[in-house]
Amino acid sequence: GENVEQHPSTLSVQEGDSAVIKCTYSDSASNYFPWYKQELGKGPQLIIDIRSNVGEKKDQRIAVTLNKTAKHFSLHITETQPEDSAVYFCAAYYGGSQGNLIFGKGTKLSVKP
Amino acid sequence: NAGVTQTPKFQVLKTGQSMTLQCAQDMNHEYMSWYRQDPGMGLRLIHYSVGAGITDQGEVPNGYNVSRSTTEDFPLRLLSAAPSQTSVYFCASTSRPDTQYFGPGTRLTVL
Repeated sequence: GENVEQHPSTLSVQEGDSAVIKCTYSDSASNYFPWYKQELGKGPQLIIDIRSNVGEKKDQRIAVTLNKTAKHFSLHITETQPEDSAVYFCAAYYGGSQGNLIFGKGTKLSVKP
Repeated sequence: NAGVTQTPKFQVLKTGQSMTLQCAQDMNHEYMSWYRQDPGMGLRLIHYSVGAGITDQGEVPNGYNVSRSTTEDFPLRLLSAAPSQTSVYFCASTSRPDTQYFGPGTRLTVL
């Protein structure tokens, strides 16, 4: 069945460094790839997304890249800050107009001051 | 807009008890869904609904029932709670079946 793999499961960086989280998906028909940030005790919050007709999208310090041929997409956070510490989830949408999201298992990012 | 609201925030049940987790949204979204989140497992889809009166199963539906009598509400029922249902439950809604907005979650413990 459909699957999304996410790496690494944990990531520790120094404040100011960059962080990269990578995901691969199995369904070549997937056309929407969101990233969610989950802070402790809260629900996941959408931070950026990309659709299959573009290769890269940026929003201030975060960016997402998509390689449809290789079926992988990545989240890039530059100039990391302590408030970026959270669990990040990638997801891939499959199934047409009544489809669903399949989530990766998450990456716990720790930014050390 | 309150967005997506969930009640209760915390719940402790004994094995065999039943309960309903409430979810409501005020964004007039047609699409609503329930996920459970377990350590190291990410978010797994339990049930979803594409509109009032229409529900369908997700990846892990066993032990759960849902109904959708109104656009705003999408309750999740545990008929006979089991320790394996100890988890954090999230409700989500969207105007399209891709970009989902999550509620704050219900942390459920089954003893």
